[in-house]
Amino acid sequence: DAGITQSPRHKVTETGTPVTLRCHQTENHRYMYWYRQDPGHGLRLIHYSYGVKDTDKGEVSDGYSVSRSKTEDFLLTLESATSSQTSVYFCAISEGPLYEQYFGPGTRLTVT
Amino acid sequence: AQSVTQPDIHITVSEGASLELRCNYSYGATPYLFWYVQSPGQGLQLLLKYFSGDTLVQGIKGFEAEFKRSQSSFNLRKPSVHWSDAAEYFCAVGGFTGGGNKLTFGTGTQLKVEL
Repeated sequence: DAGITQSPRHKVTETGTPVTLRCHQTENHRYMYWYRQDPGHGLRLIHYSYGVKDTDKGEVSDGYSVSRSKTEDFLLTLESATSSQTSVYFCAISEGPLYEQYFGPGTRLTVT
Repeated sequence: AQSVTQPDIHITVSEGASLELRCNYSYGATPYLFWYVQSPGQGLQLLLKYFSGDTLVQGIKGFEAEFKRSQSSFNLRKPSVHWSDAAEYFCAVGGFTGGGNKLTFGTGTQLKVEL
């Protein structure tokens, strides 16, 4: 299995609070991704990174920001969490933009 | 824009029966195609991929998929299903688009296996 960890694995937070999710890889892959998974929607891309300090938006980026200061870490921040951001969040990594992606175990976030 | 359709939300098969999960894609050129599997509470695991060459692709766990350009399909098959195959299956397509080179996932097919 690819070396990808996500923290925390579960989090409950209140509406309006900031939340940061962390993805850590040990594979030295250049590309990292954040997805959210919701019933009936499959996986939707939030943001991705193609190198240190290089990031771009996905299809559902509103309300989210990311940062990547080191190859191995990719942070997803919800500046002010809303109930619509209750979801399971997955991090993925790949060697290139269209290479296969390897997924982390996920973070279940509940916003009350 | 590229897109993926998995027309079957749920499929139930008996253990030992054959399986085919459908995937249709929309993309203007030759796509990169993937099938992933997700067990409950887990991340996604790659089953197989198609980039070019032979249109019949073999994957892990006895799965295979066939790329049919004329039908814009990439259906996943297994000749004999095991109870442990019960999971959710996602098809994904990637290509070089104006919005960047990213994968687009289908909404998934939930497979139930009856013993």
